[in-house]
Amino acid sequence: GAVVSQHPSWVICKSGTSVKIECRSLDFQATTMFWYRQFPKQSLMLMATSNEGSKATYEQGVEKDKFLINHASLTLSTLTVTSAHPEDSSFYICSPQGSTDTQYFGPGTRLTVL
Amino acid sequence: TQLLEQSPQFLSIQEGENLTVYCNSSSVFSSLQWYRQEPGEGPVLLVTVVTGGEVKKLKRLTFQFGDARKDSSLHITAAQPGDTGLYLCAGARSSNTGKLIFGQGTTLQVKP
Repeated sequence: GAVVSQHPSWVICKSGTSVKIECRSLDFQATTMFWYRQFPKQSLMLMATSNEGSKATYEQGVEKDKFLINHASLTLSTLTVTSAHPEDSSFYICSPQGSTDTQYFGPGTRLTVL
Repeated sequence: TQLLEQSPQFLSIQEGENLTVYCNSSSVFSSLQWYRQEPGEGPVLLVTVVTGGEVKKLKRLTFQFGDARKDSSLHITAAQPGDTGLYLCAGARSSNTGKLIFGQGTTLQVKP
């Protein structure tokens, strides 16, 4: 399978601060990037979809001004959680997609907001 | 509205038992993928099925795609403690290129 990395793997921050999560596709070019959020013992929930060089498309109920997505290159996308609050604590997972329909997932980032 | 219903959501069995996980929908999918996820990690792709009626085997795991491409099942034979994890099905709709619709997930616990 494809190699996808996320950084950091976990982060603890204070309420009100911003956190940036990086996702890299190490061995293929990701024309599309999906960002998911997963709460404990639940399935993945799609937050937004971005295409390289374009603005992201957000799912219903996801605030675009709170979750800033940048997909400036075919190998790197970032998700910034702005003014984080405890309810934003979750497991964030990126999923880059290249020329095939198969999606691979990053190892995830555990965000804890105090 | 959950477009992909996965059941059961939790399963605890003894080592050596067999089990089946189901994913059902009223919608047609162009493909369906099964993932396994361990705590603190991202999902790992197990298999992709694309043809109605398709059956794929991966060691003790058997995956089937329904004839109408609306449902799928995962059958594990002689489960082992190493099979413990969260199993997720995800369907791709041809009208939403690349976007996956996930089932609720099945948490499997295999006791030695």
